[in-house]
Amino acid sequence: ELKVEQNPLFLSMQEGKNYTIYCNYSTTSDRLYWYRQDPGKSLESLFVLLSNGAVKQEGRLMASLDTKARLSTLHITAAVHDLSATYFCAVGSGGGADGLTFGKGTHLIIQP
Amino acid sequence: GAVVSQHPSRVICKSGTSVKIECRSLDFQATTMFWYRQFPKQSLMLMATSNEGSKATYEQGVEKDKFLINHASLTLSTLTVTSAHPEDSSFYICSARVPGSGQPQHFGDGTRLSIL
Repeated sequence: ELKVEQNPLFLSMQEGKNYTIYCNYSTTSDRLYWYRQDPGKSLESLFVLLSNGAVKQEGRLMASLDTKARLSTLHITAAVHDLSATYFCAVGSGGGADGLTFGKGTHLIIQP
Repeated sequence: GAVVSQHPSRVICKSGTSVKIECRSLDFQATTMFWYRQFPKQSLMLMATSNEGSKATYEQGVEKDKFLINHASLTLSTLTVTSAHPEDSSFYICSARVPGSGQPQHFGDGTRLSIL
């Protein structure tokens, strides 16, 4: 059974600081996703990581994937208040034809 | 970009009512769609995989007679919660993946179901 562990589950940080969210998964997978969810809303796709060593960046967010360690990270650089949200990592298998297994999410609060 | 539309966005109804939720892929064909459920302050849990032209695949612990899934066309999947009870109250979200390598699963806006 595929398990996805995310930490921390809750993070309060100040604007301007850097931090990293970690996502570990238990079995081999060919793709890892990061999503953002605002309160009461659905999920917004942030990154799709397909291969070992993959690194993607968008604005202040950067995601990486180490398939050997079964670890992905989401790094936040110089955080701003607008990045406050819940961030989920999710793992798929079976060539993308399977549903996703989600981590529990990281509730991120960025304070001025 | 790829869009997944979900309707209705919110349903409030009495216990015992059956509720149908629609999920449409607006600008691409989706042979497979997925249905998730999210309880307050929790993560998303995959309920079932909806397959166009064939039976849905349900995750362990999800009652197929309770949650009826129909995927009659390449752009539409429906989830019917039959004889809903208060414990079925949740946020239901569908998703579909645009064909092609490296594409994410796109999620609908979700349906907030409240059973009184």
